[in-house]
Amino acid sequence: NAGVTQTPKFRILKIGQSMTLQCTQDMNHNYMYWYRQDPGMGLKLIYYSVGAGITDKGEVPNGYNVSRSTTEDFPLRLELAAPSQTSVYFCASSLIGTGADSPLHFGNGTRLTVT
Amino acid sequence: RKEVEQDPGPFNVPEGATVAFNCTYSNSASQSFFWYRQDCRKEPKLLMSVYSSGNEDGRFTAQLNRASQYISLLIRDSKLSDSATYLCVGVRGYQKVTFGTGTKLQVIP
Repeated sequence: NAGVTQTPKFRILKIGQSMTLQCTQDMNHNYMYWYRQDPGMGLKLIYYSVGAGITDKGEVPNGYNVSRSTTEDFPLRLELAAPSQTSVYFCASSLIGTGADSPLHFGNGTRLTVT
Repeated sequence: RKEVEQDPGPFNVPEGATVAFNCTYSNSASQSFFWYRQDCRKEPKLLMSVYSSGNEDGRFTAQLNRASQYISLLIRDSKLSDSATYLCVGVRGYQKVTFGTGTKLQVIP
């Protein structure tokens, strides 16, 4: 049981380049999330999805896009990379939203540097 | 004011010591609370849920005080392996999940 799998683990982008961060989960969770974590800051929600075909903006969605064509996959797209997007990105999933019986399960993270 | 606030630390404690962290939250609509543990350069992992009645898991005790809007985590008999950053998390509804910035704990031999 792999849980939440993210790829790549590391990536360096030049300003203006595009890339997709991949996230897949094999727990049949309905909810999936993308967070970014900057040094000394809490995790900030970028986008989330409550099920296949449904996505919604989180706290810091600008510069990102997502899709949820299947229950398992929730890719995050950066269209025009900017230095401000240098961060560690975490994908997470939960069964029915986040509650006492439905904690967040995180992937290992993607360390992205934009120069 | 941040919705969830924590003392960033670091808390440097000797092995065997008892250490307590507090976390305050500003939105009284927050319904569920958790403590997550994050090791250096790793993903957060659920440590325990927090209930008003208090809950204990081995050496760890969590408590929620809704009247004062704070959450606490007590670690007894600290081990070197407890060294990590502890994240306080508040949840409103199912999607509004707010993480604190974390409290760093360093257990010293």
